[in-house]
Amino acid sequence: SQTIHQWPATLVQPVGSPLSLECTVEGTSNPNLYWYRQAAGRGLQLLFYSVGIGQISSEVPQNLSASRPQDRQFILSSKKLLLSDSGFYLCAWSVGPRSYEQYFGPGTRLTVT
Amino acid sequence: GQNIDQPTEMTATEGAIVQINCTYQTSGFNGLFWYQQHAGEAPTFLSYNVLDGLEEKGRFSSFLSRSKGYSYLLLKELQMKDSASYLCAVRVLPPNTGGFKTIFGAGTRLFVKA
Repeated sequence: SQTIHQWPATLVQPVGSPLSLECTVEGTSNPNLYWYRQAAGRGLQLLFYSVGIGQISSEVPQNLSASRPQDRQFILSSKKLLLSDSGFYLCAWSVGPRSYEQYFGPGTRLTVT
Repeated sequence: GQNIDQPTEMTATEGAIVQINCTYQTSGFNGLFWYQQHAGEAPTFLSYNVLDGLEEKGRFSSFLSRSKGYSYLLLKELQMKDSASYLCAVRVLPPNTGGFKTIFGAGTRLFVKA
């Protein structure tokens, strides 16, 4: 069966510090991968999605970036965090004929102080 | 632009039925999802409607009317564990892009009381 991992689970970082969040998927090949952010009391905002290694589409201009160095690894990064980057970051995957159905990882709760 | 509206909060009683509405204004519509999200956890997939009508899955049903830009999620025989946020999301195919994207509403927080 497929599983998705995210780490860390929680993170507190000062403004201006760098960020690296990692997501890996097991049990499937060539997944579509997504990074979402959910601010408190808000819906999910799509940040990046990837249909293959090295293929990244950005949805919202921001100080974040994403990379996909391996088929089942998706990394979200920032060189300098802003207060507004605080939120719940979720990685998700989908694959195949039912690619409309996305499965979410456990999430990382980021607090920028 | 793309817009999804759903009530912020609802309260219902254990054992009752509750209907959570969602209206949307989008271009390139290609289906509507409902997700359940417990506090502090990731969303879990509940349903996907692409054609008009009612889809039933156990205690949960989802309805779609594409002409009205309207959907609802119906929860029957409510249980305390159904207390959660319910996210309405629309799948769209923007023109001149690489593929589909999913737009989420802000969610409806459902409180189930004894």
